[in-house]
Amino acid sequence: EADIYQTPRYLVIGTGKKITLECSQTMGHDKMYWYQQDPGMELHLIHYSYGVNSTEKGDLSSESTVSRIRTEHFPLTLESARPSHTSQYLCASRGYHEQFFGPGTRLTVL
Amino acid sequence: AQSVTQLGSHVSVSEGALVLLRCNYSSSVPPYLFWYVQYPNQGLQLLLKYTSAATLVKGINGFEAEFKKSETSFHLTKPSAHMSDAAEYFCAVSRNSGGSNYKLTFGKGTLLTVNP
Repeated sequence: EADIYQTPRYLVIGTGKKITLECSQTMGHDKMYWYQQDPGMELHLIHYSYGVNSTEKGDLSSESTVSRIRTEHFPLTLESARPSHTSQYLCASRGYHEQFFGPGTRLTVL
Repeated sequence: AQSVTQLGSHVSVSEGALVLLRCNYSSSVPPYLFWYVQYPNQGLQLLLKYTSAATLVKGINGFEAEFKKSETSFHLTKPSAHMSDAAEYFCAVSRNSGGSNYKLTFGKGTLLTVNP
């Protein structure tokens, strides 16, 4: 079944740690996205990719980085986590018109 | 530039009552419009989409929305609310042409509460 996966679903980590949030999709979509969402708030685009070796920063400035070495994989990395990075991170890929979302990773930095 | 305004951050209805969630958009070019639903601790699920075909769009779970160009609106309705409809609802817009047509702009969301 075609789907989009994110791991871990929940992550609690200390300040200064390096973390990678994983996102994979099995739909063969070229276009993928990362959004940041604080509880009860709107989604903000932080990164997007239109294909392998293509990455762009989104509308909201983020200290995170992304890579796109394979079509199906779009990981997000924080080199040194801080409490201000505490949020929910949603990954999505685009089909013909709409975007399909993963279940999200809820990150808490202590 | 494009933007979305969702009127009412919180809507409360009784079970069996009409659900109406309001969305107005701004776009310099003809838009594509979407409604997504988000349950607690989950990602977003597409309810329905308008992509310049029929102006009345039917989606999953009994929801529908009507595109009204003159009012720049895309309100979401459901005739009879069910307890399982309680969730956060997001309206989103994208361009239907041009290089940035791949990006979505979201509204701030409307939390729907359904009372027994």
